Amino acid sequence: ETGVTQSPTHLIKTRGQQVTLRCSSQSGHNTVSWYQQALGQGPQFIFQYYREEENGRGNFPPRFSGLQFPNYSSELNVNALELDDSALYLCASSFLQGNTEAFFGQGTRLTVV
Amino acid sequence: QQQVKQSPQSLIVQKGGISIINCAYENTAFDYFPWYQQFPGKGPALLIAIRPDVSEKKEGRFTISFNKSAKQFSLHIMDSQPGDSATYFCAANWGGANNLFFGTGTRLTVIP
Repeated sequence: ETGVTQSPTHLIKTRGQQVTLRCSSQSGHNTVSWYQQALGQGPQFIFQYYREEENGRGNFPPRFSGLQFPNYSSELNVNALELDDSALYLCASSFLQGNTEAFFGQGTRLTVV
Repeated sequence: QQQVKQSPQSLIVQKGGISIINCAYENTAFDYFPWYQQFPGKGPALLIAIRPDVSEKKEGRFTISFNKSAKQFSLHIMDSQPGDSATYFCAANWGGANNLFFGTGTRLTVIP
């Protein structure tokens, strides 16, 4: 088990609603990345946070936003939920500098109905 | 555009056999190539990783083979066990452990 924890584990939301997912990074890691994993697909990079600022973003619309806190924990917010947002959302923590390992949490399964 | 192409999509191997999963990439800037193992309902777990300055890395029953000129790398699982049944993802990135580009995954089933 990694030291990365995510909450909640499962979530059901209605189309058009907003959702906040949370992630606590592994001790000593200063960087948090978020990924979306659709069923049967590989994870797709959403964005990364380092020192409380966005540090790289994938091909996701602005309604996907995030925060990182001084203790390096992070939130992913998604506004105006669409049915296609249904996926497993993964948080990974790492050190920004150098090619070190990214450790993933267990994910949050979001279902939009 | 898929930055990392992975094959096969699914693989069935007898217990004790060798499982081989292949990946190919185009971006020569990639300099870190990890493999992740994912069980249903769980997040991906780092299995083994390689950098392009070596052609092979072995950890227990898991070996990565890396061919820089062909821009290909593969995972070999020796003496495959039913507990190895999972989905395996190759990935790549550069300049740090951010922005990993994942393959589409290989669902491995090891038959007892």
